[in-house]
Amino acid sequence: EVHLLESGGGLVQPGGSLRLSCAASGFNFGSYAMSWVRQAPGKGLEWVSAISGYGLIFYADSVRGRFTISRDNSRNTLYLQMNSLSDEDMAVYYCAKVSEDASAGMGPHFDYWGQGTLVNVSS
Amino acid sequence: QSALTQPRSVSGSPGQSVSIACTGTGSDVGGYKFVSWYQQHPGKAPQLMIYDVSKRPSGVPDRFSGSKSANTASLTISGLQAEDEADYYCCSYGGINTFIFGGGTKVTVL
Repeated sequence: EVHLLESGGGLVQPGGSLRLSCAASGFNFGSYAMSWVRQAPGKGLEWVSAISGYGLIFYADSVRGRFTISRDNSRNTLYLQMNSLSDEDMAVYYCAKVSEDASAGMGPHFDYWGQGTLVNVSS
Repeated sequence: QSALTQPRSVSGSPGQSVSIACTGTGSDVGGYKFVSWYQQHPGKAPQLMIYDVSKRPSGVPDRFSGSKSANTASLTISGLQAEDEADYYCCSYGGINTFIFGGGTKVTVL
């Protein structure tokens, strides 16, 4: 059974930094792209960043230059380093497994999600 | 890239059908066959309901169906049930390994 467990959220002052982690189990972690998706309180979902199994990295314009996604395939763990945080970054951050099979014509989508970790940016 | 456009809310009685439209541009919804839909109950994580416009993952009831025409994708829930009351989000591949979500639609079962 696929399981994703985020951690590292909490209260941080504007301008501060935070590092999120996502521990994965139940699948061959290194073979799949992973992503971070966030949801501000009472708002919709927003894609944040993605990393392929072999380390290709992609960011939304809203976080590029401030956030860094990474992964440790030996530890089955996904990370998100967040710097220069503002109140616009306050949200529940979900990690999600990206499923895709280009050879079968299957496009990328998020087939499993963690329960999320709350990042609260406030002075 | 701007969020995809969804109606804020739709409603229907049990047993009825409701549809949710998701409108984008030729650079996202219209440019790829990679639209997915997610259901989210209050306080819970999103759950995949539809991928590749119209494919259902195992375990998703067949009353959920998806389609697409030009720059607009749609999710239809047939035979609406009480447990279908939730928020629904569309998502499109936006090219270069980016994704764009819709603003979300609240489905109310009357």
